[in-house]
Amino acid sequence: AQRVTQPEKLLSVFKGAPVELKCNYSYSGSPELFWYVQYSRQRLQLLLRHISRESIKGFTADLNKGETSFHLKKPFAQEEDSAMYYCALTGYAGGTSYGKLTFGQGTILTVHP
Amino acid sequence: EPEVTQTPSHQVTQMGQEVILRCVPISNHLYFYWYRQILGQKVEFLVSFYNNEISEKSEIFDDQFSVERPDGSNFTLKIRSTKLEDSAMYFCASRRDRWDNQPQHFGDGTRLSIL
Repeated sequence: AQRVTQPEKLLSVFKGAPVELKCNYSYSGSPELFWYVQYSRQRLQLLLRHISRESIKGFTADLNKGETSFHLKKPFAQEEDSAMYYCALTGYAGGTSYGKLTFGQGTILTVHP
Repeated sequence: EPEVTQTPSHQVTQMGQEVILRCVPISNHLYFYWYRQILGQKVEFLVSFYNNEISEKSEIFDDQFSVERPDGSNFTLKIRSTKLEDSAMYFCASRRDRWDNQPQHFGDGTRLSIL
């Protein structure tokens, strides 16, 4: 079974502070991890994915298979980063997945001025 | 940039009535999905659709639910006899290809309110 856990429902930081949104997963096969962001009244947008190993809007996330984690980090938070962040997983065990995403509960990030 | 579009943005329906939620996926995408999010809860997978048939479905997707791609552009979710607990935000998503590990693109969602 696939499971994604985001332990923090709410996270508040001040502008310029570092931010880390935690994500842990459970999956027996080879997972692919994503972070999606949802700004107020907008659609879910892909922020980044672990296979790309890229930095988007200053955010990075590293897949740690030993700790089964995919935490999202940004060294200096900005007010425009305030949004709902979802960690999501899809699996390819035996090539049978058609790409369904399993989401975590989401973390609401608020960056104060 | 092409987008997934969903209509209506908000649907209010009496309990027991049928409802159809509509989605227009991105035109060159081959895989289609429906998710739902009950207020205050996580986004949950309902069903995936490929090559004109359901490829995977969750436990939530029972006999009350059906999906269809009636023409080359629309992808619909039908709930036959709605219940109060069907009230949720329903998201459609599409994906170009399975093997390229392409991410899913989401629509804005339809808020379904059952009275």
